[in-house]
Amino acid sequence: QKEVEQNSGPLSVPEGAIASLNCTYSDRGSQSFFWYRQYSGKSPELIMFIYSNGDKEDGRFTAQLNKASQYVSLLIRDSQPSDSATYLCAVRTTGTASKLTFGTGTRLQVTL
Amino acid sequence: SAVISQKPSRDICQRGTSLTIQCQVDSQVTMMFWYRQQPGQSLTLIATANQGSEATYESGFVIDKFPISRPNLTFSTLTVSNMSPEDSSIYLCSVEGSETQYFGPGTRLLVL
Repeated sequence: QKEVEQNSGPLSVPEGAIASLNCTYSDRGSQSFFWYRQYSGKSPELIMFIYSNGDKEDGRFTAQLNKASQYVSLLIRDSQPSDSATYLCAVRTTGTASKLTFGTGTRLQVTL
Repeated sequence: SAVISQKPSRDICQRGTSLTIQCQVDSQVTMMFWYRQQPGQSLTLIATANQGSEATYESGFVIDKFPISRPNLTFSTLTVSNMSPEDSSIYLCSVEGSETQYFGPGTRLLVL
């Protein structure tokens, strides 16, 4: 069983719609959760992090965490073509010396 | 977040040779990480490099194949030794920031 799972996509949404990206993780000891965006040919860049159950909003992005269900999601409102990228979910477990475990990523395509 | 640079940005190498990748950070950091991202795949942690101690390698990666140096708090190198075409990948260094890891631009390696 993979430690961090994501649907590889591609997830296609029209411009202006809400994109919903999902991630599940297997280790209940996981404490911190991160979403990175990676454009083709570029390195990952941090979008958001979340530690507590519930929602965390930053501009058009909302991260949602449900530790009981071992589920974290990223919502992108008013999707733009510039949001087209691969979104990587990463999880950190306490006691692993800051090690991050990455999912395989979901490719998002925002269509005109 | 720290500014991270890597050299070279890309290279084409012959099998059996070795390549050393440099990672420079503009501020002192305790922990540096080396990742591999094979085509179409997510990030896989190779090793964690702490200044003044031996690097800690993840399962499936060994020091003879991927020797790492960490001479000071702003610099690290990763060597890919005795390369084969299977080593063709993007190699990324990252550093631990205030909340999570931040990535360098990556080194694109093609082994013929």
